[in-house]
Amino acid sequence: KAGVTQTPRYLIKTRGQQVTLSCSPISGHRSVSWYQQTPGQGLQFLFEYFSETQRNKGNFPGRFSGRQFSNSRSEMNVSTLELGDSALYLCASRPGTDTQYFGPGTRLTVL
Amino acid sequence: SQELEQSPQSLIVQEGKNLTINCTSSKTLYGLYWYKQKYGEGLIFLMMLQKGGEEKSHEKITAKLDEKKQQSSLHITASQPSHAGIYLCGAALNAGGTSYGKLTFGQGTILTVHP
Repeated sequence: KAGVTQTPRYLIKTRGQQVTLSCSPISGHRSVSWYQQTPGQGLQFLFEYFSETQRNKGNFPGRFSGRQFSNSRSEMNVSTLELGDSALYLCASRPGTDTQYFGPGTRLTVL
Repeated sequence: SQELEQSPQSLIVQEGKNLTINCTSSKTLYGLYWYKQKYGEGLIFLMMLQKGGEEKSHEKITAKLDEKKQQSSLHITASQPSHAGIYLCGAALNAGGTSYGKLTFGQGTILTVHP
């Protein structure tokens, strides 16, 4: 099976812009979780989607949003980008069982 | 303070040496995961532990869960340069299956193995 894929892998934006990141889970996995990784804060949970519904949400401002489609693919959107949003954004998928499998990440740089 | 504390934060060893990384939680552990990450890349799943006293091994890596101490350890035997990277522990800190989609991570341990 193909692993979790994320597009794009690298992205450069300027402050105030918005960005959309995409994640395709492993085939058959219905849960997709998003995480933000920065040198200062480490790896932090953003949100989880299951069957097109947000099931868990982390402590991030409303500028961070996501959605999941009927084929389980997920997107996350960040509006009004700030310099502090520069990070590696990771998505992970899992089947009905427990283990999350991560994608390669999208490196977002905000200038 | 962090809900999951890893120690040490970094580790430099000579090839062939054994090493241990610890992960301690301030809350009850409902599932404990170990991942490895190359800088700037995704996380590679190593092992998952759920029950107190559980121990799992894969090649030269062994992980144990001490439920009473709310702690897990990752032990690498006869380290090799290929073991170098960042080791992260992640945990489900709430009861219920939905919590496994919302993991809390430690700050990571950077492992360097000199040939």
